Amino acid sequence: GNSVTQMEGPVTLSEEAFLTINCTYTATGYPSLFWYVQYPGEGLQLLLKATKADDKGSNKGFEATYRKETTSFHLEKGSVQVSDSAVYFCALSASGAGSYQLTFGKGTKLSVIP
Amino acid sequence: KAGVTQTPRYLIKTRGQQVTLSCSPISGHRSVSWYQQTPGQGLQFLFEYFSETQRNKGNFPGRFSGRQFSNSRSEMNVSTLELGDSALYLCASRREGRETQYFGPGTRLLVL
Repeated sequence: GNSVTQMEGPVTLSEEAFLTINCTYTATGYPSLFWYVQYPGEGLQLLLKATKADDKGSNKGFEATYRKETTSFHLEKGSVQVSDSAVYFCALSASGAGSYQLTFGKGTKLSVIP
Repeated sequence: KAGVTQTPRYLIKTRGQQVTLSCSPISGHRSVSWYQQTPGQGLQFLFEYFSETQRNKGNFPGRFSGRQFSNSRSEMNVSTLELGDSALYLCASRREGRETQYFGPGTRLLVL
């Protein structure tokens, strides 16, 4: 079956530090890949996505590249801010008969300190 | 454009009771999915509805059910609640033919 593995953290960084959150996946076929972010007490917000190999998704300074050869979709940001503190989820979307089902990693809690 | 809305936001029930949660998708989105989020199991897919029909179902017992109305609004029902059903229930909607799902704020259910 499909699965997503991501570093669970928690990760604590100082403001302006470089961020990497690793994500690898196992899937049949060629899924689309997503990063979602969850702030305390809220639902999931789409951060970025990539739909095919070598695609780079980017948003708000965050980037991730779909690497088919290593089945990875690592999240990076060059300079984190306190406002980036949240839980980050890597996910893949598997399709079948018109349905799309997300499979999530366990989430990585990021804390950014001033 | 309004996002996905879910009601109620918080709910407290006791074991054995049943509960109904509601979700209104983004305007124009006809597909609605439900997910359960718990600290132990993480985010798990419950089911997806499209055009008032369940199109896909995750690995949950039959106590978990749902439905969708002609205006695409969806409800999920959990009968005979158990302590382990305490969770954040998230609804997501998407436009037909598109993969990206947009989530609501969730309903936090506590079963005592």
